[in-house]
Amino acid sequence: DTAVSQTPKYLVTQMGNDKSIKCEQNLGHDTMYWYKQDSKKFLKIMFSYNNKELIINETVPNRFSPKSPDKAHLNLHINSLELGDSAVYFCASSQILAGATDTQYFGPGTRLTVL
Amino acid sequence: QKEVEQNSGPLSVPEGAIASLNCTYSDRGSQSFFWYRQYSGKSPELIMFIYSNGDKEDGRFTAQLNKASQYVSLLIRDSQPSDSATYLCAVSRGSTLGRLYFGRGTQLTVWP
Repeated sequence: DTAVSQTPKYLVTQMGNDKSIKCEQNLGHDTMYWYKQDSKKFLKIMFSYNNKELIINETVPNRFSPKSPDKAHLNLHINSLELGDSAVYFCASSQILAGATDTQYFGPGTRLTVL
Repeated sequence: QKEVEQNSGPLSVPEGAIASLNCTYSDRGSQSFFWYRQYSGKSPELIMFIYSNGDKEDGRFTAQLNKASQYVSLLIRDSQPSDSATYLCAVSRGSTLGRLYFGRGTQLTVWP
């Protein structure tokens, strides 16, 4: 009954490959996020979807493409992987209240290693 | 200027002491403030949030907010070795739904 789950937990792949990470939340939240955490632990937002609509799209290479089939799922597809893509990717979700930001709950993370 | 800055640490305190973690933010219009704890190899988990000026206490944790000084802090009383983790300050401006700006974190070690 994990609140926010991600698969896979670890992903090791070669440069140039295409890979996907999946995220699901069972909290009934309307907003989901993808974050990248680099080796120095800096947590940077990449994308956010509210009710399946893209609302945050940071300066991220267009090799990264999020997809939200429904409110409970947000997937991240990465094309032509590069060494610099190696990081931990966290999915998160929250319920946006009118005029406020509610708590974000994080998934366990996916450690991506590009060789 | 970074959106959110935290004292760089690492911070090391003895068991039973008070650990003080500090965070400043650049946008005066920021509305919501969060402290997350992240153990090594784990995901961030929320410890506290604060919206109003003043202190907010939850067990051994106290968050303090001073919007005039654009400063938010987290005090951990009676620190335990299990409190050893990286503490992330996050700030919401309220202008973009759900957008949080994170600091780089302060690593805390509590030694027995």
